Amino acid sequence: KQEVTQIPAALSVPEGENLVLNCSFTDSAIYNLQWFRQDPGKGLTSLLLIQSSQREQTSGRLNASLDKSSGRSTLYIAASQPGDSATYLCAVKRAAGNKLTFGGGTRVLVKP
Amino acid sequence: GAGVSQSPSNKVTEKGKDVELRCDPISGHTALYWYRQRLGQGLEFLIYFQGNSAPDKSGLPSDRFSAERTGESVSTLTIQRTQQEDSAVYLCASSSTQATEAFFGQGTRLTVV
Repeated sequence: KQEVTQIPAALSVPEGENLVLNCSFTDSAIYNLQWFRQDPGKGLTSLLLIQSSQREQTSGRLNASLDKSSGRSTLYIAASQPGDSATYLCAVKRAAGNKLTFGGGTRVLVKP
Repeated sequence: GAGVSQSPSNKVTEKGKDVELRCDPISGHTALYWYRQRLGQGLEFLIYFQGNSAPDKSGLPSDRFSAERTGESVSTLTIQRTQQEDSAVYLCASSSTQATEAFFGQGTRLTVV
């Protein structure tokens, strides 16, 4: 059974600092991995999708890496801003026709 | 539509009543997911539809929960004889194929009193 863990559960940084968010999964036979952000009381917003054949994906200030063999993905957010404050979730898909399995999320606070 | 649409956005119901939650996926999306998120908790998988294949119902917590989807269109999640522990936000997502990026709706907040 795939288990997805995100550590730390919460993180507080001053504005301008780079953020590093971790996601680990127990079964390395994944199809893809997706990062989301969730604002309080809202749904999930997709940030980045990494296919199993890829090592990283970039979008603006966001960069996500994937190391399947070690069961890890890292989301980097450069030059954090107060608007980056949210909960960040990672989710893995074991095979093409499968559900997404989510981690518990990391709650981020960027202080002005 | 532009995104995944869920209705109602909020629902308050009395314990023991049945409720229906609706999800309109992005047009043309073949895969559809339902998740539940209790207050302060993570996302709990409920059910997954992919085209005309048999749905993955492995996450439904009890036989009070059921979901339907006709083809690649609207899905409804039905909870019968609601209990207080059913109070949660119910989230729906869709993707264009079984392997691509999933997009979520804003959710339905269900409160059972």
